[in-house]
Amino acid sequence: AQKITQTQPGMFVQEKEAVTLDCTYDTSDQSYGLFWYKQPSSGEMIFLIYQGSYDEQNATEGRYSLNFQKARKSANLVISASQLGDSAMYFCAMRPYFNDMRFGAGTRLTVKP
Amino acid sequence: DTAVSQTPKYLVTQMGNDKSIKCEQNLGHDTMYWYKQDSKKFLKIMFSYNNKELIINETVPNRFSPKSPDKAHLNLHINSLELGDSAVYFCASSQNWRTNTEAFFGQGTRLTVV
Repeated sequence: AQKITQTQPGMFVQEKEAVTLDCTYDTSDQSYGLFWYKQPSSGEMIFLIYQGSYDEQNATEGRYSLNFQKARKSANLVISASQLGDSAMYFCAMRPYFNDMRFGAGTRLTVKP
Repeated sequence: DTAVSQTPKYLVTQMGNDKSIKCEQNLGHDTMYWYKQDSKKFLKIMFSYNNKELIINETVPNRFSPKSPDKAHLNLHINSLELGDSAVYFCASSQNWRTNTEAFFGQGTRLTVV
């Protein structure tokens, strides 16, 4: 079964600076998707970014980019130019084909003014 | 229009009661899920359904019974509620079981058992 590890329970970043949230995964599947979700204090789960295991380019969505290193099985989220509204829990997730999505334990990001 | 909607948003009930949470998606997706988020924010898959058929049941107590009347709906019924069932329950959907695309989540149901 796949395992997703987020080693940073909490992170702080100064407003307008960039921050990297770490995620490593373990799977024997060759085809899978990697995802990041944001959960603000209001509780909803917001999809941020997707990376396919065969994609050669790192995914980007606005201020979010996913630093994908397949050999190291890592899928770190980079948030550029942090904003106060970025303060939230961030979850890394993985989903192989013909399987469900599993999540890491999450990282709580706090953006300081 | 909300893509994945679940009701109710809050549910407070006594131990031993039976309750249901409803979920509907209007995305045309084939696959739907129930996740449980505990007090430490850990998200755990409970059930996966594809086109109304149960695909995954993750060692959930049989007091939890999902029902999918059609592929747009996945309801969760819980019998004999226990204190440990207190959590936030999320419904989600994704395109289909054959792909690894993203899942879209409902707003969550915060269940409190007293």
